[in-house]
Parts: sequence; C-alpha cells; structure tokens
Amino acid sequence: DGGITQSPKYLFRKEGQNVTLSCEQNLNHDAMYWYRQDPGQGLRLIYYSQIVNDFQKGDIAEGYSVSREKKESFPLTVTSAQKNPTAFYLCASSPQGQGTQYFGPGTRLLVL
Amino acid sequence: KQEVTQIPAALSVPEGENLVLNCSFTDSAIYNLQWFRQDPGKGLTSLLLIQSSQREQTSGRLNASLDKSSGRSTLYIAASQPGDSATYLCAVVAFSGNTGKLIFGQGTTLQVKP
Repeated sequence: DGGITQSPKYLFRKEGQNVTLSCEQNLNHDAMYWYRQDPGQGLRLIYYSQIVNDFQKGDIAEGYSVSREKKESFPLTVTSAQKNPTAFYLCASSPQGQGTQYFGPGTRLLVL
Repeated sequence: KQEVTQIPAALSVPEGENLVLNCSFTDSAIYNLQWFRQDPGKGLTSLLLIQSSQREQTSGRLNASLDKSSGRSTLYIAASQPGDSATYLCAVVAFSGNTGKLIFGQGTTLQVKP
C-alpha cells in the first residue's frame, strides 16, 4: 500500500516533556510538511522539508523541531517550550515542484 | 500576505438539497486551488484541484469553480446526502522556491440531515 502513515493516533504529554510524532511515506515524494489544526480553524504550517537534510520553518515553528535524515521520514518533536501543544497534527507530502499534497491520518496530542 | 476565508463556517441542509460552499483569497497569484474533505478526527482527503489556468473541475456530484480575478472559488454539491456531512477545507497553493505551500481557510462544517 502506498501512502502516508502517522503514529501514534493519540499521544499524551506531561508537563516539561518533549514528545516526538512520527510521519512516514512510501510515495517517493521529495517534500514533506507538518501542520497543526486547532478546533474550528484551518491548518497552519509548522515546518516543511524540500529534500533530505534540509528543512524550513513555517508560520508557527516556535516550540517545535524536525529532522529529515531519510527521504521517507519526517519526525516532529514538540518541545517543552511549546506552551499550548494540545492540537491535531497532520503530516503531508508532495512530489517536488507540484502543489498537490497528500495527507496522513493525523495524531492528536493531549497534555496531562 | 495571502489569506483564505470560507463562508459560512457551518451549514445544515436537508437531504437532497443542492448547496454551494464559498472560498475567497486575497492574492490572485496562486498556483492552484484545492478543496479537501475532513471527517471528524481524520486526515484530509483531496476532492478537487483546479490549476490557476482552469475555470472549473468536476468529480461526480461535486463541481468546483475558480475566478482568480475576483479571488473566489465555489464548491457546488448536487443532491446532497447524509454521507456528505464533513468539514470542507479550501486551500490555495503559493510557491516559495520549489516548494508549494498550502494556505488554508478555516473550513465549512456541513451537516446533511436525512
């Protein structure tokens, strides 16, 4: 099956803890993206990566970090500096040079 | 700065009704425009993509139009069904280097009553 997978589906974070959300794709896409969605709002871009070992900040990068060591993987770390992490996190990928993005099923992050 | 707005935020209609969802954007320099469907707690499913040079796209009971000069797009759903109940998101693509960045509206939550 080709597609994008995100894990876990639900994630709980304790005060002061860093947590990492997984995103994997087997579509051979060059570009990958992380979005945050809050209730009643559209998606906001956190980070994106056009190619392995390169990534750029999006509109709301503060309190988050990413890595892109492999083409198929783009994990997102929510650090303790992110004071309001409760949200639905969506990962997407796209072929290089195209606007169409394909989305994973999402991870819901909750704070204990 | 590109901004995307969707009106209304929520819509409730009886089954069988034809309906229109609206999307407006402030900068006409877009690469393309996409309409997505999102079911509660799920990811996004792409419904229709309109290239900037196109005026409309159709898929089954769905028809999306694009008017770049006025900064508007509409999603027309014919003969609505309860299974159409979901949130519909509009997004425009603007390119930064080689990367297309999607800028989303807030979405319209549709409820189709049996």
